[in-house]
Amino acid sequence: EVQLVQSGAEVKKPGESLKISCKGSGYSFTSNWIGWVRQMPGKGLEWMGIIYPGDSDTRYSPSFQGQVTISADKSISTAYLQWSSLKASDTAMYYCARLPGPSGWYPFDYWGQGTLVTVSS
Amino acid sequence: EIVLTQSPGTLSLSPGERATLSCRASQSVSSSYLAWYQQTPGQAPRLLIYGASTRATGIPDRFSGSGSGTDFTLTISRLEPEDFAVYYCQQYGSSPYTFGQGTKLEIK
Repeated sequence: EVQLVQSGAEVKKPGESLKISCKGSGYSFTSNWIGWVRQMPGKGLEWMGIIYPGDSDTRYSPSFQGQVTISADKSISTAYLQWSSLKASDTAMYYCARLPGPSGWYPFDYWGQGTLVTVSS
Repeated sequence: EIVLTQSPGTLSLSPGERATLSCRASQSVSSSYLAWYQQTPGQAPRLLIYGASTRATGIPDRFSGSGSGTDFTLTISRLEPEDFAVYYCQQYGSSPYTFGQGTKLEIK
């Protein structure tokens, strides 16, 4: 069974750093892209970027390029989303999700449960 | 970047009725790489349709997708109580793989 299990909710202050995780199981982690999606409170879905854990090829949305870092550790089947300096506007639910294949031309077929990040002074 | 515009923003219907949701792209979507997702409150999105018209595994046949180029439609033939949710379209033919802003399907 394919599963994506995300790390727990975080409460941080502006300016702090943060790294959240997404552990994949039940499939070949290195042969499928993993992506991150932001959902701000009461708002829609925003595609942030994707990574291919097999070779760490990463693609970012221009809206998020330079604002976050997407990485993966294939030895432990885990993808990460990282901020170096959080802002209040980063408060959102963050989902990881899988693309079912190596080419990247796929929708997200399996999703994690979401990680709520709250940034407040 | 391809911009997806969904309409209507909110659709009010009764169980048993037919729902038609629209998704229009700012430029042609490659190879009909268009997907639809359903999101209920407090839950992660669920993939319904990909390739514009192919139902994902386990999706009931009352859900159907159609369209090509810049105009796509999700149809729910007979609404069940569990279908009242927010629906998003997404194109995955051109990076960044953008989402529409969503259509909320609510009970009338």
